[in-house]
Amino acid sequence: QVQLQESGPGLLKPSQTLSLTCTVSGGSIRSDDNYWSWIRQSAGKGLEWIGRIHPSGSATYNPSLKNRVSTSVDTSNNQFSLRVSSVTAADTGVYYCARERITVAGHEFFQNWGQGTLVIVSA
Amino acid sequence: DIQMTQSPSSLSASVGDRVTISCRSSQRISSYLNWYQQKPGKAPKLLMFAASSPLSGVPSRFRGSGSGTDFSLTISSLQAEDFATYYCQQSHSVPLTFGGGTKVEIK
Repeated sequence: QVQLQESGPGLLKPSQTLSLTCTVSGGSIRSDDNYWSWIRQSAGKGLEWIGRIHPSGSATYNPSLKNRVSTSVDTSNNQFSLRVSSVTAADTGVYYCARERITVAGHEFFQNWGQGTLVIVSA
Repeated sequence: DIQMTQSPSSLSASVGDRVTISCRSSQRISSYLNWYQQKPGKAPKLLMFAASSPLSGVPSRFRGSGSGTDFSLTISSLQAEDFATYYCQQSHSVPLTFGGGTKVEIK
């Protein structure tokens, strides 16, 4: 069973860069029938998809984050990471990493989730 | 972006009730629709993918249906462990988007 665990600072000041890492266990991050995604949840915006990265390194992001986001994958440590620059209070929320499975039929869904990590942006 | 609208936003029901949650997309998404259950303080958990395919281990009382723009999740006989918030999510196109959630509460 694939398990995911987020790690990173929980408190940031405005204008800083949020950096989170997700460690994957119970499966290989190299598997090409998966994307590795980041999703956040805040009271104001509900669940918001941030972006995803394929083991090949190809990444796609939500335009709502206006080029502040980047992701990377570290196959040697079975980890992937998220960076969000120039954070504001609007970036406060619970951040989840998730395994997005891709089926042969082309359906994609978030089959496994980390427990989530609370990130607060406050001066 | 494809907007996902769920209704109702909350409902009260009793154990044993039949409950139906609706989800509508702003564009046709075929069957690229997933359902998740979330309990307080926990990550969402996948229930259903491709509109009507339950993940292995999901109780048979959960049924998903729909295609195009209108979808529903039905719980045939509500159990105590089903009180939670339910979200739909489209996987037709990026950015992937979620509905606002339906909170199922105890009457």
